[in-house]
Order: sequence, then structure tokens, then C-alpha cells
Amino acid sequence: AQSVAQPEDQVNVAEGNPLTVKCTYSVSGNPYLFWYVQYPNRGLQFLLKYITGDNLVKGSYGFEAEFNKSQTSFHLKKPSALVSDSALYFCAVSSSNDYKLSFGAGTTVTVRA
Amino acid sequence: NAGVTQTPKFQVLKTGQSMTLQCAQDMNHEYMSWYRQDPGMGLRLIHYSVGAGITDQGEVPNGYNVSRSTTEDFPLRLLSAAPSQTSVYFCASSYKRGGRETQYFGPGTRLLVL
Repeated sequence: AQSVAQPEDQVNVAEGNPLTVKCTYSVSGNPYLFWYVQYPNRGLQFLLKYITGDNLVKGSYGFEAEFNKSQTSFHLKKPSALVSDSALYFCAVSSSNDYKLSFGAGTTVTVRA
Repeated sequence: NAGVTQTPKFQVLKTGQSMTLQCAQDMNHEYMSWYRQDPGMGLRLIHYSVGAGITDQGEVPNGYNVSRSTTEDFPLRLLSAAPSQTSVYFCASSYKRGGRETQYFGPGTRLLVL
């Protein structure tokens, strides 16, 4: 069975500082990794995904994520956080053996001015 | 394109009542799915469909039914509502079945079962 762990329930950073949201995964087969963001009372919005190729993936709103196969991680990063980045972030995984998407529990990001 | 739409946005039910959550997409997507979101648990897959006339169970299917008579619509039926079904429900769709595909989510239906 495939699974995702987001070890931090909450991440707090000051505006302008780097932001990192951690994600580790477990799958059989090749992993396909996704990050989604949810703003209050809204649906999930796609940020970026890793399918194959370059380990550094660039996505929407200045976010990027690095795929690390040896550490089975896919951490989300942003060099300089904005107050508007405050939201709930979900990491998700599917695989070449199971196309269904499995989500982590989510990490609440708060960026203070 | 309207994308993925869901109705209603909010619903209150009494225990034992039934209802249908509506989901529609106008992107001609083959794959559609229903998730429930509960605090601290992420999103869990309830049911999914890989095309019209084809549905299957996800991780938490008990108490829910689905059907897919058209490509556009994928309603979720609660047969006899229970307080444990209080949750936020999201419908999602993607162009086709496949782990590589990006899923597009609707705005959600917030359900309260008393």
C-alpha cells in the first residue's frame, strides 16, 4: 500500500524568509508526487508534480519541490514566503502500480507579516 | 470552462436521512472521484469512476453509493446519513485514469449530520 507522511502539522515563518514543507512517501513502483494547496473554504489547487526527469520541479506561485529517491522525500520550498502563502498544503502520491492518489494529513502554513 | 462544480455548498441532515451530492465537470474528463476531508486525516478516497458506466470503491466506501451514467456527472448518494459522515466532500476529475494525471477539484460540499 502506498502512503504519505507530512511530519509537521504546522509551519510558521516570517514573511520574506524561506519556507519548507516536508513530505515523505512510500510506494511500490515508480512514484508520482504532487503538491496541492487549499485556501480557507476552497477546493484544492494543483501546485506542482514530479513524474520523471529533473529532480527539481518548479510550480505555481514561486514554489518548487525536490524529489529525493534515496530519502523517499518530496519537500516543498519557496525562497521567500508571502503572507498570501498562508494555507493548508497537501502532499500526495500515486505510482506506476497504483494510479489512485493517496494524500498526507496536510500541513498548515502561517506566514506572519 | 466552469471546471468541476459541486452542489450544494452546505447541507444539514438528520441521522437516517438520505441525500445526493452533485458533481459535474465540463472538461470531458474520463476519470472522476469523490473524497472526504476530515481534520488531521487528509483526503480519503470514497469512490471513483474510470468512465461512464464504470465505478469502483475507494478507501472508505461504506454508506455511500455512486453511479456514472454520463461522462459529465458523478453524483454521490448517502443512503442513511450518520454523524460519522459529517465531513467536507470533494469531487475531482482528470483527463484519464493514470498516476501521472493531475486531478482538478471542485469547491467542496460541507455536510453536517445531526
